[in-house]
Amino acid sequence: AQSVTQLGSHVSVSEGALVLLRCNYSSSVPPYLFWYVQYPNQGLQLLLKYTSAATLVKGINGFEAEFKKSETSFHLTKPSAHMSDAAEYFCAVSDYSGNQFYFGTGTSLTVIP
Amino acid sequence: NAGVTQTPKFRVLKTGQSMTLLCAQDMNHEYMYWYRQDPGMGLRLIHYSVGEGTTAKGEVPDGYNVSRLKKQNFLLGLESAAPSQTSVYFCASSYPGRQQETQYFGPGTRLLVL
Repeated sequence: AQSVTQLGSHVSVSEGALVLLRCNYSSSVPPYLFWYVQYPNQGLQLLLKYTSAATLVKGINGFEAEFKKSETSFHLTKPSAHMSDAAEYFCAVSDYSGNQFYFGTGTSLTVIP
Repeated sequence: NAGVTQTPKFRVLKTGQSMTLLCAQDMNHEYMYWYRQDPGMGLRLIHYSVGEGTTAKGEVPDGYNVSRLKKQNFLLGLESAAPSQTSVYFCASSYPGRQQETQYFGPGTRLLVL
């Protein structure tokens, strides 16, 4: 079975500082990996996805993530945090059939002015 | 193009009552999903459907039933609600079967079972 682990349920950064949200996956086959963002009282929106085309994936709002097979990681980064980045972030992996997605427990990002 | 919509947005039930949550999508997606979101547990898949007339169990299907009579609609039913079913429910849809396809989420339904 596939799974993802998000280290740190809460992360706080200062405005303008680097954002780093960690995600490690477990998969016996090449995975497809996703980062979603959830703003308060809203559904999830796709930030970016890894589909084996390139290990460094650029997403919306200045976010990017790097797939590292040797570390089984897919960490999300943004060079400079903005107040509007405050939200819940979920890492997800799809199973081999593409029928099911497995989500991490989420990381709540707080941006301090 | 409304995307994925969910009805109702909020509901309060008493233990033992039944209700149906409606999910509708206008993107002609084949795949539809129901998740529940609980604090500290992320999203967990309840049931999903890979096409009209088909349904399958996800990670936490007990206490729920689903139906996909029309391609654009996916219904989630609670026959006898329990306090443990208090949660936020999200519906999602996607294009057929390719792992890399994106899921599109609805705004959620908040359910409180007393």
